[in-house]
Amino acid sequence: DTGVSQDPRHKITKRGQNVTFRCDPISEHNRLYWYRQTLGQGPEFLTYFQNEAQLEKSRLLSDRFSAERPKGSFSTLEIQRTEQGDSAMYLCASSWESGNRNTQYFGPGTRLTVL
Amino acid sequence: AQSVTQPDIHITVSEGASLELRCNYSYGATPYLFWYVQSPGQGLQLLLKYFSGDTLVQGIKGFEAEFKRSQSSFNLRKPSVHWSDAAEYFCAVGAGNDYKLSFGAGTTVTVRA
Repeated sequence: DTGVSQDPRHKITKRGQNVTFRCDPISEHNRLYWYRQTLGQGPEFLTYFQNEAQLEKSRLLSDRFSAERPKGSFSTLEIQRTEQGDSAMYLCASSWESGNRNTQYFGPGTRLTVL
Repeated sequence: AQSVTQPDIHITVSEGASLELRCNYSYGATPYLFWYVQSPGQGLQLLLKYFSGDTLVQGIKGFEAEFKRSQSSFNLRKPSVHWSDAAEYFCAVGAGNDYKLSFGAGTTVTVRA
């Protein structure tokens, strides 16, 4: 078990550019969550998948954001036409959806800076 | 919808002293409660969790937490802190079938020698 991994760890981009982040969950986990964390705040839920199905999206996830989990394994989060307000840490977590075993384990995060 | 309040933004404690971090939650039914720790620039590490059963739960690194339904609280404690415990601590509540987590704003712990 290598844990949840995220790539890249850091991304600096200019306003208006598109960026894509990748998350590889713990291999046997069927649920995958994305959160966003701004400076001095706790993480906020963005969206989650059960296998390849995206089951919920937060109102924080504007039309510029899209997430996929095509084969129920890794996931990508894309932000189009980035804005300075998108600067944050993007955290991915995975879990096994089964009663009290649904404990989310987090990756190291991708820190996005939009100039 | 559920929510979490961590009343203390910053706590400074001497090495070897005890530590208690407060967490209050709001949720109509039985919540699932978690404490995570985050070092600067890193992701979140799970310290402990409560789903049901014994209201005093033990976690990693010598931490424990007690669920008190009457007070809607899930406070984190450690009898003797080490310099390596300096970090930011987040309380979170999960609920419903989606188990999505709602986090508090966090408490930053500074350990002085």
